[in-house]
Formats: sequence, structure tokens, C-alpha cells
Amino acid sequence: GDSVTQMEGPVTLSEEAFLTINCTYTATGYPSLFWYVQYPGEGLQLLLKATKADDKGSNKGFEATYRKETTSFHLEKGSVQVSDSAVYFCADGGSNYKLTFGKGTLLTVNP
Amino acid sequence: DAGVIQSPRHEVTEMGQEVTLRCKPISGHNSLFWYRQTMMRGLELLIYFNNNVPIDDSGMPEDRFSAKMPNASFSTLKIQPSEPRDSAVYFCASSYEQGFEQYFGPGTRLTVT
Repeated sequence: GDSVTQMEGPVTLSEEAFLTINCTYTATGYPSLFWYVQYPGEGLQLLLKATKADDKGSNKGFEATYRKETTSFHLEKGSVQVSDSAVYFCADGGSNYKLTFGKGTLLTVNP
Repeated sequence: DAGVIQSPRHEVTEMGQEVTLRCKPISGHNSLFWYRQTMMRGLELLIYFNNNVPIDDSGMPEDRFSAKMPNASFSTLKIQPSEPRDSAVYFCASSYEQGFEQYFGPGTRLTVT
């Protein structure tokens, strides 16, 4: 079945540092790809998405590019803030009805 | 839009009691998902409904768990009898179509003592 692999955390950064969270997927074809964010005590929120190869999803300073050749969808942000501290989940929509989620990466940003 | 609504937000019960979690999906969405999240196992898909019909319940842990969707605007997840290992955060999510992005509710934190 489909699987999504994302870098294990936790990731700890200082404010204004550059962030990369790696994500690779195994779904065949051209699945839609997603990044979700979960703040403490809350549900998952859609952060960004890309629906076809070479698409770049972006939101709140975060970006991820759908790379078909490397089956990757790495999340990046040029300058993180303390308020970005959360758990980040990569997901693919390769199956015909459900999303396959990675295990999540905990990000902590220190002032 | 109000988003996905779940109730209760917190539930504390004793082992052996029946627990019912409730979910109201976003209006117009035809797919509904129940997930369970724990530190040990992460995010697990329990069951998926499409147009109120259960499509895949392979993630339901055992017969103690059951889910219903009597209409397009309401779903329940029931645990009977509950056990301490059922303690987790249970999320409901909905989407407009199969494979589209899912919108999550705030979750119900269940504690079984």
C-alpha cells in the first residue's frame, strides 16, 4: 500500500532559522500531496497542497514543491517564528478515497 | 462556515462504560473520516464513510467500536465497553470528494480510567 515517509523529529530551531522537513511518498500515478499542521491541543489544519508535478504549494511563508522524479514534497520556510512550533504532517492522496499520512514531525522554535 | 464540529471536547469515563463521540461534517461534504491519535501509534484511520455509507472499516480496532452515519450531517463513534487503552484523541474529518483535502475537527480527548 501507499506510504509516506517524513523526517523524524523533533526538530529544534532558533527563530529566523531556515526550515526543511523532508517528505517522500510511494503512491503511483499523480497523487495530490498535502502538508498539514497541528498546533498543541488542536486538530490538523491544511497548510498547503499541490495537485500535479512541479506545482508549488505555499501558505504563511511555507512552501513545498511536488517533485515527481524524486517522489518528494519537502516543506521549507525561510525564517521560522516561535509561533510555527507545531507538529507537521505530510500526506498523499494516492489511494482512491483516503489520505496516507506520515508520522509527523515536531518542530520547536526557540526565541 | 463553522468547520467540522465534534462533541464532547473532553470525555472522562470509567472502564466498562459506553462512550459516544459525535461529529457534524462541513455542509456539502460527502466523505467523513474518523481517526484516532496517540503518542504510541500516531494518527490512525478508523473508518471512512462516503455518502453516508461505510466504505472501509478495516481500521476499527475491534468489535467494541462501532460507527454510524444516519444522515449527511451527523456521525457517531461508539465504544462499548470502553477500556483504558482506548484513551486517545479522536478526530473527525470531512472532505468534498474522495481524495480531496480533508478538514479536521478539534478532536475529542477521551480518558478511560
